[in-house]
Amino acid sequence: NAGVTQTPKFQVLKTGQSMTLQCAQDMNHEYMSWYRQDPGMGLRLIHYSVGAGITDQGEVPNGYNVSRSTTEDFPLRLLSAAPSQTSVYFCASSQSGEQFFGPGTRLTVL
Amino acid sequence: GQQLNQSPQSMFIQEGEDVSMNCTSSSIFNTWLWYKQEPGEGPVLLIALYKAGELTSNGRLTAQFGITRKDSFLNISASIPSDVGIYFCAGPLGDGGSQGNLIFGKGTKLSVKP
Repeated sequence: NAGVTQTPKFQVLKTGQSMTLQCAQDMNHEYMSWYRQDPGMGLRLIHYSVGAGITDQGEVPNGYNVSRSTTEDFPLRLLSAAPSQTSVYFCASSQSGEQFFGPGTRLTVL
Repeated sequence: GQQLNQSPQSMFIQEGEDVSMNCTSSSIFNTWLWYKQEPGEGPVLLIALYKAGELTSNGRLTAQFGITRKDSFLNISASIPSDVGIYFCAGPLGDGGSQGNLIFGKGTKLSVKP
């Protein structure tokens, strides 16, 4: 099992550009989540999904969209990147309480 | 809204010393989780607590779920250099009905001098 995989590992965008951060898990977990991590802020929940076709907002959803068409994939879309979205993004999946995290995507918006 | 307050923010200790850190909240939590994050990696779950008063160990790590359900403690005994990292407490956001949403403390950064 690869666990939770994320691509890309690093990305630099210009303000206003759009992009999709990919997340996939091969553990057949129902629950998947996206977090952002900023220095001194810990991890903050952006969006989460309790199963295919179902998504909901977390603490900091503005500027991000998600969809969950399959159990395995949970992409995060930035429609118009802003410098405030410079951060490290983590995807996680869980089935029975324990969340497994991916290695993260480090995003810089200039 | 819900918040988790972790202390201390950072610790610099000598190898072999014991470490204590805690997490408090103004809200009641039904689950407390402790994660460790190493540089360039995602957080990894160390200990999960599901019942008030519960004391759980994982090797040299011991965590307790406070009786009031508003706090939790993590202790590391006889620290070693590979204990270096950031330790986070976490709990379910909202009513805790979904496992897909956690709120995290801001972390305790641990440095160990050999």
